[in-house]
Amino acid sequence: KNEVEQSPQNLTAQEGEFITINCSYSVGISALHWLQQHPGGGIVSLFMLSSGKKKHGRLIATINIQEKHSSLHITASHPRDSAVYICAVHSGGGADGLTFGKGTHLIIQP
Amino acid sequence: GAGVSQSPSNKVTEKGKDVELRCDPISGHTALYWYRQSLGQGLEFLIYFQGNSAPDKSGLPSDRFSAERTGGSVSTLTIQRTQQEDSAVYLCASSAGSNQNSPLHFGNGTRLTVT
Repeated sequence: KNEVEQSPQNLTAQEGEFITINCSYSVGISALHWLQQHPGGGIVSLFMLSSGKKKHGRLIATINIQEKHSSLHITASHPRDSAVYICAVHSGGGADGLTFGKGTHLIIQP
Repeated sequence: GAGVSQSPSNKVTEKGKDVELRCDPISGHTALYWYRQSLGQGLEFLIYFQGNSAPDKSGLPSDRFSAERTGGSVSTLTIQRTQQEDSAVYLCASSAGSNQNSPLHFGNGTRLTVT
C-alpha cells in the first residue's frame, strides 16, 4: 500500500507570498492528483500529472518520479487560495483506487 | 448540469437501518470512485469502478458496505445496518478514462448522519 505524506500540515502566509506544498509517496505510481477542498467541502481537481510540470494560472505542479515527490506552488498568493490542498496517487495500472495524503490546510491572510 | 450528481445531499438515519446513496457520473465517464470523509479527517477511498472491469473494493471498511454500478453509469453505495461510525460525507467522483490522462470530477457529496 502506498504511503502518501504531505507537508506542511498547516501553513499560514501573507497575501502575495510564494507557497510550496510537498507530497511524497512510497511506491511507484501511474499518476498523481492535486485537489483543492474549500470550506463547505467542495473538491476541485487542480492537476493530474505523471511526469514533468504543469501550470494553470498562478498554480504550478511538478513531479519527480525518481524521487517519488511532487510539489504544488502558488505564486502571488491571495486569500481566496485559502483551502485544504490534497495530494492523491494512483499506485498502478488496471482497476485501482487512489491513496490520499492528509491534506495541507493553507490560510492566506490579507 | 454536466457535473457529477449525488443524492440525497443529506441523510439522517437511525442506527441499524440500511441506506442507499446514489451517484450520477458525468456522461461517458468510465471511471467512478466512492470516497468518504469523516469529520476533520482526510479522504478515505472506498471503491473504484473502471469500465467493465471487476471493481476495486479494497477500501470498503466492512461487509456492510457494497456498491453497484449499473450499465456503466449510475452507481449506488449501500450501507447495511448502519452504525454511528458510518457518519461521514460520502463523495463520488468520475473521470473520463485511464488513470494517466483524466482529471477527477467530484460530486458535492452526501452527508450521512447515523443517530
